[in-house]
Amino acid sequence: EDQVTQSPEALRLQEGESSSLNCSYTVSGLRGLFWYRQDPGKGPEFLFTLYSAGEEKEKERLKATLTKKESFLHITAPKPEDSATYLCAVQAGRDDKIIFGKGTRLHILP
Amino acid sequence: DGGITQSPKYLFRKEGQNVTLSCEQNLNHDAMYWYRQDPGQGLRLIYYSQIVNDFQKGDIAEGYSVSREKKESFPLTVTSAQKNPTAFYLCASSPGFQETQYFGPGTRLLVL
Repeated sequence: EDQVTQSPEALRLQEGESSSLNCSYTVSGLRGLFWYRQDPGKGPEFLFTLYSAGEEKEKERLKATLTKKESFLHITAPKPEDSATYLCAVQAGRDDKIIFGKGTRLHILP
Repeated sequence: DGGITQSPKYLFRKEGQNVTLSCEQNLNHDAMYWYRQDPGQGLRLIYYSQIVNDFQKGDIAEGYSVSREKKESFPLTVTSAQKNPTAFYLCASSPGFQETQYFGPGTRLLVL
C-alpha cells in the first residue's frame, strides 16, 4: 500500500535553531513530491514541487531536498513566523494519485 | 488578484439537512478538487473534476455530491447521508489534472 509518513509529528525549536522535517514514502513510480505550509484555520499554501532524486529547491529560510525514499524540508535560522504545520504530498502510481502525509506541527519560540 | 475563494467560512448543518459549500477560482485552471481534513489525519480526497461537465469520485465520496457546470465553479453538497460531516473542507485547483494544486481558505462545517 502506498504510504506517506511525516516525522516528527510536532517540533518545538528556539528562534535561530535550524532543523529538518522528514517526509518518507513507499510508493510505486514517484511522479512528484509537494510541500505545503498550513496556518491554523487556513488552507495550505504551496511551497515546492520536487520531481527527481537529487533535486533541491529553496525559498527564504526553507530548502527542500529529495532522495529515492524521502524528502527533507530544512529550516535555517527559523523565526516565530515560520510556525505552522508543514504538509508533504506524493504523486505516484499508474493513476497519478496524490497522497498527503499527516503533517509536522512546527513551533518556533522567540 | 487570481485565486480560489470558498464560502462560507463557517457552516452549520442540522440533522437531515443538505448543505452546499461554494468554491470558485479565477486562475483558469482545468482541474478542481475537494478534500476533507480531520484532526490528526492527512487530507482525504472527496471528488475531483478534470474538466468542465466531468467529475470523479475520490476516496471518500459517500454522502457527498458535486457538479461542474462552469470552469470556475465546483460546489460540494454534503447530504444527509453523510453521518459524520464535521470537518474542515478544502477546495483546490490545478492547471491540469494532478499538477501542483493550489488551495482555497477552507470551510469549517459543524453539526448542530
